[in-house]
Amino acid sequence: QSVLTQPPSVSAAPGQKVTISCSGSSSNIGNNYVAWYQQLPGTAPKLLIYDNNERPSGIPDRFSGSKSGTSATLGITGLQTGDEADYYCGTWDSSLSARVFGTGTKVTVL
Amino acid sequence: EVHLVESGGGLVQPGGSLRLSCAVSGFTFSNYWMSWVRQAPGKGLEWVANIKQDGSATYYVDSVKGRFTISRDNAKNSLYLQMDSLRADDTAVYYCARESLIGRDYYDSDWGQGTLVTVSS
Repeated sequence: QSVLTQPPSVSAAPGQKVTISCSGSSSNIGNNYVAWYQQLPGTAPKLLIYDNNERPSGIPDRFSGSKSGTSATLGITGLQTGDEADYYCGTWDSSLSARVFGTGTKVTVL
Repeated sequence: EVHLVESGGGLVQPGGSLRLSCAVSGFTFSNYWMSWVRQAPGKGLEWVANIKQDGSATYYVDSVKGRFTISRDNAKNSLYLQMDSLRADDTAVYYCARESLIGRDYYDSDWGQGTLVTVSS
């Protein structure tokens, strides 16, 4: 149903790195800025990355974002147990005139 | 400190109506776009609607067009979502969010804790 596709889950051991992909099209990621949100269990989402690769103040540099064409990627290095959460990409879709979110990815720290 | 507090959720029968409210504090409400985002139980985020600072422009996801109406009262620092003709697939936690101009675009920078709407007979 969502126009942005993410893998359902990724996992890695503490201290390792994970990457989460977000695939879209020219009407959304291809021509608009991408954000990433972190949703810890039982809480509201939190802005993690904006403008494809910028971090709001207070977000550690272990989190990084990038965009290429119609896809975006979130990277998390030095994985910690506190990073276990659902992660969503988001952007504006010019064809739909609507904000769109990705399908969401659950990060598990093994 | 920025605060957003949703209220008005509850159990409603299919075809019924409900009005959600979001009371805000800690910022100048009239300066910001505002949005509603929902999350069905165990599912992902779905943007529902947003509204311009003065209420002169609104946008909706296709699935709620003609059934939901977003509005605001800047004098009361409040955002609303009037939901009519409710269906079972409208069951979700509804979040209100402040859209902030950060960098080069607008983003949902602050969120409320959400209010649960359950549509069931």
